[in-house]
Amino acid sequence: DAGVIQSPRHEVTEMGQEVTLRCKPISGHNSLFWYRQTMMRGLELLIYFNNNVPIDDSGMPEDRFSAKMPNASFSTLKIQPSEPRDSAVYFCASSFYGRGDTEAFFGQGTRLTVV
Amino acid sequence: AQKITQTQPGMFVQEKEAVTLDCTYDTSDQSYGLFWYKQPSSGEMIFLIYQGSYDEQNATEGRYSLNFQKARKSANLVISASQLGDSAMYFCAMREFGAGSYQLTFGKGTKLSVIP
Repeated sequence: DAGVIQSPRHEVTEMGQEVTLRCKPISGHNSLFWYRQTMMRGLELLIYFNNNVPIDDSGMPEDRFSAKMPNASFSTLKIQPSEPRDSAVYFCASSFYGRGDTEAFFGQGTRLTVV
Repeated sequence: AQKITQTQPGMFVQEKEAVTLDCTYDTSDQSYGLFWYKQPSSGEMIFLIYQGSYDEQNATEGRYSLNFQKARKSANLVISASQLGDSAMYFCAMREFGAGSYQLTFGKGTKLSVIP
């Protein structure tokens, strides 16, 4: 398996533009997480899906952020409109939760810069 | 309240020495899992070791071991025989299995620097 695949790896956009980050989890995994990492706030959990259903989106900063998981192999995180304070590295991670637990595997991250 | 606390923002260790990175956690669930991840300067998140709350023995993976003290709610990472390649950020994380919420929560991290 190729692991968790995120795209794009880098994104530079102007304030006010819409940004869409994409994630393909590992096949067979039923949990998917979106995290945001900044120097000031560390790794923040934005939203968590289990079996494609959003379970906890309490970490989504505000209504400008939205996430979808239309099927088990694809998820998006959208920011509209983007602001400079959204600049961060966004990670997607997936894991299998069933009988017992396994570690979460992370994608390479998307480095977002909003200017 | 923070669920995961890592009190050491930065640590230094001499090459070939052992080092302990501290992690305490807060949960009322009986069933949970504890993880350690490494993030080198290249940015990827690398899984190191896992400890389940019901595991009676401390987890070990090669040079990594997890010193699990359930009553004290601590899950310290021990790296033996440090190598220069161990220089990185290290994150402790917890996944709680109660109340139907299985989110994975991370601490702020500890930056480890291995000195030749």
